[in-house]
Amino acid sequence: DAGITQSPRHKVTETGTPVTLRCHQTENHRYMYWYRQDPGHGLRLIHYSYGVKDTDKGEVSDGYSVSRSKTEDFLLTLESATSSQTSVYFCAISEQRGGETQYFGPGTRLLVL
Amino acid sequence: GENVEQHPSTLSVQEGDSAVIKCTYSDSASNYFPWYKQELGKGPQLIIDIRSNVGEKKDQRIAVTLNKTAKHFSLHITETQPEDSAVYFCAGNGSGNTGKLIFGQGTTLQVKP
Repeated sequence: DAGITQSPRHKVTETGTPVTLRCHQTENHRYMYWYRQDPGHGLRLIHYSYGVKDTDKGEVSDGYSVSRSKTEDFLLTLESATSSQTSVYFCAISEQRGGETQYFGPGTRLLVL
Repeated sequence: GENVEQHPSTLSVQEGDSAVIKCTYSDSASNYFPWYKQELGKGPQLIIDIRSNVGEKKDQRIAVTLNKTAKHFSLHITETQPEDSAVYFCAGNGSGNTGKLIFGQGTTLQVKP
């Protein structure tokens, strides 16, 4: 998985609780992305980062926030989890501008009860 | 923005036969089209990609073709094997070098022994 780890790999939480997912890379790539994967929707971009402390929204950013204080770490936070955020979350990295050649992590399966 | 449509959603072939998955895109400024393979419980892995200045690219049993005029591209797998069974995603990068990929909805390929 191209030097990308995600933690936790599985999480069950209750509606209304905050949740933070972590993506860690050892490739020193500049660009990092958070996607969610749901049946029938493919992979949808939540937020992405083009450098330390530089982030931007994707197509499904409502209810999510991100932070990137170091090149190697990109955090995704669900401020108050809802059942609609039950999904599999993937982190990806890229060293090239334009979203080219993205490499994906193993994913985090999140269940919000 | 970019929209990518992928067909079929499921595809079943006999071992040794060929498989073709098709995608269409909406943004004529898109110039990068990767294909990903996702095995059960794992993150997507890049298997082949093509840029808009090339009409076809091959890598062993896998090939991708691009028709810029019609705005569609296809993945061709020849001599399919059971280990080709997976979910395949196409993507396009849209315009503006935003660092984003827009994914199709995915195709579940089953290769029957």
